[in-house]
Formats: sequence, C-alpha cells, structure tokens
Amino acid sequence: DTEVTQTPKHLVMGMTNKKSLKCEQHMGHRAMYWYKQKAKKPPELMFVYSYEKLSINESVPSRFSPECPNSSLLNLHLHALQPEDSALYLCASSQRGGQPQHFGDGTRLSIL
Amino acid sequence: EDKVVQSPLSLVVHEGDTVTLNCSYEVTNFRSLLWYKQEKKAPTFLFMLTSSGIEKKSGRLSSILDKKELSSILNITATQTGDSAIYLCAVDRSGAGSYQLTFGKGTKLSVIP
Repeated sequence: DTEVTQTPKHLVMGMTNKKSLKCEQHMGHRAMYWYKQKAKKPPELMFVYSYEKLSINESVPSRFSPECPNSSLLNLHLHALQPEDSALYLCASSQRGGQPQHFGDGTRLSIL
Repeated sequence: EDKVVQSPLSLVVHEGDTVTLNCSYEVTNFRSLLWYKQEKKAPTFLFMLTSSGIEKKSGRLSSILDKKELSSILNITATQTGDSAIYLCAVDRSGAGSYQLTFGKGTKLSVIP
C-alpha cells in the first residue's frame, strides 16, 4: 500500500457518463499531480497543482477537469470520455517541485 | 525536446545474477534523475540523484549519476524473482519546469528461478 490513496481502483463508464477520480495524501505534500499511463508506456503528465493552484495543464482535453479542494485532496472529473481515454490514471504528490514524487496505485479506467 | 532513453528495453536473467540498467538523458536545466520500480500498480520511488559520482545504495540496489556523460546506471545484485518489474528512469528540470518529470520508456526486468 502506498501513502497516496486513490479511489476507485477500477472504473467502467460509458461515453455519456460523468464520474470522478479521487486522490488523497496526508504527508503534508504541497504539490499534487495527475498522470495518464497507457499499457507498456511510461506515465504522461496531465496536471500539476502547487499549493492548491493549477500550475501546469499539459494540453489535456476539457473532458478532463481537475480540482484541488484542499492540500490533501485532488479530484479528476470525467465527462464524455472517449474509448482512447481508457488507461491507468495515477496520482502523485511531492513536498514541492523538485522533490521525489510518490505515486498512488492508480485507477484503471475503461470507457465503453 | 527533452529526451530520456533507457536500455535495454527488456532483460531476462536468472536468480542470483547481477544486472545493470542504463539511462541517458538530454534535458534542459537538469536538476535531478530519479529511478522508480513499477510492478502492477504504482511506480515506487527508489533513488533521486543530483550530484555526479555519488552512489546511492539501498540493500542490493545502487545507482550512480554521471553528469558529464549525461547518464545513470541502476545496479541490482543477487537478483530475486521479486525484482521482476519495469524500472523507470525520470529526469526533473529546474526552473519553471521543475514539476515535470520526463520518463524513459522503462526497462522490463524478468528474473527467473
């Protein structure tokens, strides 16, 4: 088990559904990240929150909407996803930029 | 464009062997190089290297950074089946990009009994 907790572990949704992925850490880290990982590929950065403010958005489609309600929580809201969005979504946190990122176990998302 | 290249892409060894995994990089404003181990789920942090020539060691795993050659190696001695995983190398940049890890494609290590 990691110190970054992600829920749910698995999610199957249709293209018209709205769902949210959740990530929580209690290590006092001030930077939190969302990554997308396709099979046999390295993680690709999607978003970075630093001190609860969105600091990086790697040209991610608007059907993915991040939210950072407080320093311990990070959400990823999903709406009208496409089959190619099926992947493992990883959350990570670090004390701040330039410090090692610690990953959660991910949410395996399947879009029907 | 930033680039991180790992070699080999896959490797099969017998238990007890020693392996060396390689990572080379071309990154602007290099700050640090990180090694992660990924089994089925989360990448697990192994080492962060910032200074050239200093060896980081944890049990049977060790790693060295060569800033002159823009590369790093990860050594695993006396391999065990539990070492089977994908080993990811990532490079962190300083400045405005300091939150962005650039990952290599990984080396898939399989340790057979």
